[in-house]
Amino acid sequence: ETGVTQTPRHLVMGMTNKKSLKCEQHLGHNAMYWYKQSAKKPLELMFVYNFKEQTENNSVPSRFSPECPNSSHLFLHLHTLQPEDSALYLCASSQVVGGWTGELFFGEGSRLTVL
Amino acid sequence: GQNIDQPTEMTATEGAIVQINCTYQTSGFNGLFWYQQHAGEAPTFLSYNVLDGLEEKGRFSSFLSRSKGYSYLLLKELQMKDSASYLCAVEGNAGKSTFGDGTTLTVKP
Repeated sequence: ETGVTQTPRHLVMGMTNKKSLKCEQHLGHNAMYWYKQSAKKPLELMFVYNFKEQTENNSVPSRFSPECPNSSHLFLHLHTLQPEDSALYLCASSQVVGGWTGELFFGEGSRLTVL
Repeated sequence: GQNIDQPTEMTATEGAIVQINCTYQTSGFNGLFWYQQHAGEAPTFLSYNVLDGLEEKGRFSSFLSRSKGYSYLLLKELQMKDSASYLCAVEGNAGKSTFGDGTTLTVKP
């Protein structure tokens, strides 16, 4: 198993659909993240979960709903998205020690297209 | 606020040396990271600097000056496979990492 796996790799959905992105990390880390990567824009942090508790919600619209059932799994539930939400969604994990995030290990990403 | 600047694009020749600069202004500083991202792939960790100076790792080196808010990534003996986007990221307060836009490096024969 690779370190961080994401499914699906590609997703096309209409604006009224409900879908979910899944992330699983096999590294024993205690923190997981969702990032959004749009063309010509820097990686944008969306959510942070530390020891399964959400510690960061970077002003993300409510149509994105994260879920972290345990320290190895992270979901991003999608509902009534807009075309501008089309992007690459990257999951990452790290071992947080003393408030220091450290090196991020990224999954391959889920390429989302909203029609 | 958080601000990280790096050049958008760079081109270099196979076998040469290239330096990618990154300047930053952030709230707090817990370290600076460089990541490599090939097209269509996940970013992968290259280097980490928290103290001033040079960190060397094979063909790649990274330098940090905290007083100047400046870092660079140095790639030696360039290979075609080094063509990728290079992301500068700073971990600031509360362990939050902010990324620059990335520098797309093209290595030509």
